[in-house]
Formats: sequence, C-alpha cells, structure tokens
Amino acid sequence: QKEVEQNSGPLSVPEGAIASLNCTYSDRGSQSFFWYRQYSGKSPELIMFIYSNGDKEDGRFTAQLNKASQYVSLLIRDSQPSDSATYLCAVNRSGGGNKLTFGTGTQLKVEL
Amino acid sequence: GAVVSQHPSWVICKSGTSVKIECRSLDFQATTMFWYRQFPKQSLMLMATSNEGSKATYEQGVEKDKFLINHASLTLSTLTVTSAHPEDSSFYICSARPGTGERIPLHFGNGTRLTVT
Repeated sequence: QKEVEQNSGPLSVPEGAIASLNCTYSDRGSQSFFWYRQYSGKSPELIMFIYSNGDKEDGRFTAQLNKASQYVSLLIRDSQPSDSATYLCAVNRSGGGNKLTFGTGTQLKVEL
Repeated sequence: GAVVSQHPSWVICKSGTSVKIECRSLDFQATTMFWYRQFPKQSLMLMATSNEGSKATYEQGVEKDKFLINHASLTLSTLTVTSAHPEDSSFYICSARPGTGERIPLHFGNGTRLTVT
C-alpha cells in the first residue's frame, strides 16, 4: 500500500462546476495535511493545509479531513480553466523530522 | 513572505561533470531545507534533509557521495550532483519552512531542470 494515494486522473470537469479531489494515507499518526498545485514544468505551490477533522474553507477551496478514515479531500468550487493542473496531496510523516510524503497527484482538466 | 529561490532554473551538462544547485530562503531563516527530485509523470520524492551546520540526512536509496549537500548558512543550501549521468536527469526542487513545527507548510523553490547528455 502506498503511503499517500491519489487517483491520477485526468479528472475532467466543466467550467463552473465543483471539482473533487481525493487522497488517502496510510500513516495513522500523521497530523498535518497539505494540498499543492503543480502546473506542468513548474514547482508545487501551496493551496491549503488542514490539521483538524472537518472542513476548512479558503475562497473557492475547501479541504476536508477525516482522520478516522485516513482521508483528505480538496473541493474546488466554480472551477476555472486556470485551475487545470496536477494537485498533490502531502502528508506529514509521524515520528519527527517534519518530512512530507507526496501522493502522485491528480491531474485536473477544467473544460470550457 | 516565505520565498524560496533556486538557481539555476535549468542546466545541461555532459556526462561525468558535476552540477551545483543553490537554494536560498529570501525572507526567512531555515535551519532545515529539503531536497526533492521529480521524474516525468511521477511525484516528488524526498532525497535528503539539509541541516544548517551539520551533515545532511539522506533518504534510503539516495547516494550521499553522489548528491553532496552543504548547508553553510541559515539561508543557503546547495546540492551538488557529482559525476552526473543521463539517469540523473530530473527536476530537482528544494523547499523550506519559515519556522519549525510540522504545521508550518513547506514552500518550494522554482526547481532546477537538469539534463545530462
């Protein structure tokens, strides 16, 4: 089992729709979770982070965390073509060291 | 805030030569920086943790003698790929946190695309 799993996609949604990106992780001790966006050929940029169970909203983005199910998701409302990118889920490893483990990413395509 | 600068953005070198990549935290001090590598269509893989004033710690399977890391100041870490070969061609990205603690997000440099011919 991979430490952090994501569906590679591509996930295609029409402009204006809600995009739902999902991530599961295996380290039950992980406490910090991050979503990064990566455009082709570029480095990742932070979108959101979440530590507590439940929802966290920031503009068009909502992160959802369920530690019991070891599941974290990212919702993008009113999707725009500029949201088309690969979204990486990152999980902080338990046991110290402040190291992040990344999933393989989900490619999102927002179509006109 | 929390800007990480990486240089060069891209480099092409011949097999057998060495390449140095610099990573700087511009508006904060970083006692720890992280070096990642990303092959096409794959995710980021942590190579090593760079520690200011002490030796870097390498992830399993990463050759420390091939990937030399120096973290001589609180704002600069360097990665030297020694005796590079075509299989080392990849996207190398450094990252750092503007503080300690796992709840502080990592910020990434723009990456260095290395091509070894």
